[in-house]
Amino acid sequence: QKEVEQDPGPLSVPEGAIVSLNCTYSNSAFQYFMWYRQYSRKGPELLMYTYSSGNKEDGRFTAQVDKSSKYISLFIRDSQPSDSATYLCAGTYNAGNMLTFGGGTRLMVKP
Amino acid sequence: GAGVSQSPSNKVTEKGKDVELRCDPISGHTALYWYRQSLGQGLEFLIYFQGNSAPDKSGLPSDRFSAERTGGSVSTLTIQRTQQEDSAVYLCASSLGVHNEQFFGPGTRLTVL
Repeated sequence: QKEVEQDPGPLSVPEGAIVSLNCTYSNSAFQYFMWYRQYSRKGPELLMYTYSSGNKEDGRFTAQVDKSSKYISLFIRDSQPSDSATYLCAGTYNAGNMLTFGGGTRLMVKP
Repeated sequence: GAGVSQSPSNKVTEKGKDVELRCDPISGHTALYWYRQSLGQGLEFLIYFQGNSAPDKSGLPSDRFSAERTGGSVSTLTIQRTQQEDSAVYLCASSLGVHNEQFFGPGTRLTVL
């Protein structure tokens, strides 16, 4: 079993929909959690960065961490075709340490 | 400002050859990481440099893989005697320090024939 699990998708939604992307993790020592967006043939781009449990909002994006259930989520409001990409979640013990990634969820937002 | 840069963007080599991949981190970032992204394995940590400390090599898959970081800036990942299973995208990331988020470069796509 991988330390961070993600449904690979693809997840297909119409433009304007609210998207929910989820990960589960098994390592209770993880304290920092990230969401990265990766377009085809590009490097991952940091979207959200959170510490411990709670919510963090940035524009159309909201990240949630529930350490009690080892569950992390990314919500995208008013989704746009430009949001079509692979979304990677990651966890780590310490923000400066190596990241453990999920396999990524491919999202397609259709006009 | 400039982000993390990597070169070459693509590399095709023959099985058994050595390859060198280069990473230029964001200026002022003290931490540098190498990851590998392949279809079957996803994104995996390889090695991590922080300042002048000894690197964390715990993710290197074999002794054919090594990395250096010169002058606390540029890093080179070397793969000796390449195998077909080494084919992947090799990604470099840097961060300002030990408590900061990591920023990735565009990667080097390595194909071993």
